[in-house]
Amino acid sequence: GDSVTQMEGPVTLSEEAFLTINCTYTATGYPSLFWYVQYPGEGLQLLLKATKADDKGSNKGFEATYRKETTSFHLEKGSVQVSDSAVYFCALAIGGTSYGKLTFGQGTILTVHP
Amino acid sequence: EAGVVQSPRYKIIEKKQPVAFWCNPISGHNTLYWYLQNLGQGPELLIRYENEEAVDDSQLPKDRFSAERLKGVDSTLKIQPAELGDSAVYLCASSKGGSGTDTQYFGPGTRLTVL
Repeated sequence: GDSVTQMEGPVTLSEEAFLTINCTYTATGYPSLFWYVQYPGEGLQLLLKATKADDKGSNKGFEATYRKETTSFHLEKGSVQVSDSAVYFCALAIGGTSYGKLTFGQGTILTVHP
Repeated sequence: EAGVVQSPRYKIIEKKQPVAFWCNPISGHNTLYWYLQNLGQGPELLIRYENEEAVDDSQLPKDRFSAERLKGVDSTLKIQPAELGDSAVYLCASSKGGSGTDTQYFGPGTRLTVL
């Protein structure tokens, strides 16, 4: 079945450090890929998405490129801030009988210290 | 634009008791989803509605869980009777359409504790 694997957390960084959170996927179809973020005490919010190979999603300084050849969608940010501390979820959605269903990874906790 | 509204935000019940969660999606969103999120894990789909029709309920434990979306707008998810293992966060999401490229918008969730 479809699945998403994220790098193990938690991840702890100092402010202005470079961030990478790895995400790989297995899908029977041709998925759309998403990164969602969950700030403390809040609901899941879409951070960015990409719907076809080689597309780059970007938002709030975060970027991720849809790599079909490596089945990956790694999240990156050049300089993190304390306010980026949250849980980050990689997810995919495909068509067919699971049309629109989001399959999530287990989440990666990010803590950024001043 | 108002987001997805869920109530209650928190619920504590004894095992074997019934419980219900309510969700009001974003106005104009035809597709509504209920997800279950266990501690330390990503959400998992329970049921998806297109208007008032449940089009994917394959992951819903039908012996104790039920859901409805009678007028194609708000929805209720019910558990009867609740078990200890049902303690989790129940998330509602909505989207304009049901395709794999449509963005799903999530509510804040209902945190259920079963004692």
